[in-house]
Amino acid sequence: DAGITQSPRHKVTETGTPVTLRCHQTENHRYMYWYRQDPGHGLRLIHYSYGVKDTDKGEVSDGYSVSRSKTEDFLLTLESATSSQTSVYFCAISGDQDVGVMEFEKLFFGSGTQLSVL
Amino acid sequence: GEDVEQSLFLSVREGDSSVINCTYTDSSSTYLYWYKQEPGAGLQLLTYIFSNMDMKQDQRLTVLLNKKDKHLSLRIADTQTGDSAIYFCAESIKGTDKLIFGTGTRLQVFP
Repeated sequence: DAGITQSPRHKVTETGTPVTLRCHQTENHRYMYWYRQDPGHGLRLIHYSYGVKDTDKGEVSDGYSVSRSKTEDFLLTLESATSSQTSVYFCAISGDQDVGVMEFEKLFFGSGTQLSVL
Repeated sequence: GEDVEQSLFLSVREGDSSVINCTYTDSSSTYLYWYKQEPGAGLQLLTYIFSNMDMKQDQRLTVLLNKKDKHLSLRIADTQTGDSAIYFCAESIKGTDKLIFGTGTRLQVFP
């Protein structure tokens, strides 16, 4: 999966608890994204980052926060998990800085994290 | 608003052609994409088309773009069981750093 590692792969948690998902890349790509996948909704963008400490909201950002303190890592935090946040979460990267071509639209995806909030 | 729509399911016989359709809303999209998701995995870029083209062919895959109707299709010739997956179309939104994905079409290939 193009040097992208998501952790954990599976998590079960209780409503009201904080949860942090981690995305780690070894590709030196500039852009990193968090999506959630739900039946009937496809993939929806939660937050994304266009550089260290530079982040922006996606279409379903309520209840989520992100941080990117270094190029390799992009963290997604659910401050107080709710059952509606039960989903499969995918991290994606794009924009190979070594190549120097800003092909930010060609995304490479991680394997996903299955999160269940009970 | 930004909305990309696809039919949810498609079932075809092995060896037949599959056509997966997509409608998008942003007429200023630079590129349009098709991604494939196999069971238990993330998405992989399958092919893409630049917005000033109306057709692109890549081996068994043919992408057709009708900008007037904002309609994108993916044709898979000689469909194989290994093509069974969910297919997502996606459009880039001009002036942003993000893609908008459709709901995905689950392609099932039966013998």
